[in-house]
Amino acid sequence: GAGVSQSPSNKVTEKGKDVELRCDPISGHTALYWYRQSLGQGLEFLIYFQGNSAPDKSGLPSDRFSAERTGGSVSTLTIQRTQQEDSAVYLCAVRGQGAREQFFGPGTRLTVL
Amino acid sequence: DQQVKQNSPSLSVQEGRISILNCDYTNSMFDYFLWYKKYPAEGPTFLISISSIKDKNEDGRFTVFLNKSAKHLSLHIVPSQPGDSAVYFCAASSPYSGAGSYQLTFGKGTKLSVIP
Repeated sequence: GAGVSQSPSNKVTEKGKDVELRCDPISGHTALYWYRQSLGQGLEFLIYFQGNSAPDKSGLPSDRFSAERTGGSVSTLTIQRTQQEDSAVYLCAVRGQGAREQFFGPGTRLTVL
Repeated sequence: DQQVKQNSPSLSVQEGRISILNCDYTNSMFDYFLWYKKYPAEGPTFLISISSIKDKNEDGRFTVFLNKSAKHLSLHIVPSQPGDSAVYFCAASSPYSGAGSYQLTFGKGTKLSVIP
């Protein structure tokens, strides 16, 4: 939706390994979000980027999680030393200027064995 | 503490009838509410939204009602179609969330099955 792509679509990794997830929105959306959906749960906010402002990292569950957004476009979410509880679908969303609606990408399903 | 609650995990409705999905919230700072539809292996798709200054918003077969005093909203789908079968998420945002993020707080979803 709204031209947000995410890669990879699926990622299987071993406990303790690092993973990097990518979000590639079309240009024009200054606000970008990461959420995750664990099994049977609603979506949980992780981090928010807005232009050149400092990101809102208040939703990151631990210091193993970090994210960056380069050039106001592509964003990567990095999870270090993955744990089994990190298994979830990680979703990227964008919001247009002055709007409240967010539009989501297809997500990355992460499985930590 | 769940701030947005969808108390019905699932709902089955006959094709052509009305589907009513309910959502309750506890945070009185929420001022904007959204419904999303999600198919398996896809991201959520925005359906319809409503500002707290309104009590109803309609878009085709979809209508959202907001009762601020009861902190309750509902999504009505009329008539229901088999293609509406999906998980529906209620979400809310506040202008006072961190750094002006308008981050969304989601319910756990209701799985709607429309029976042909």
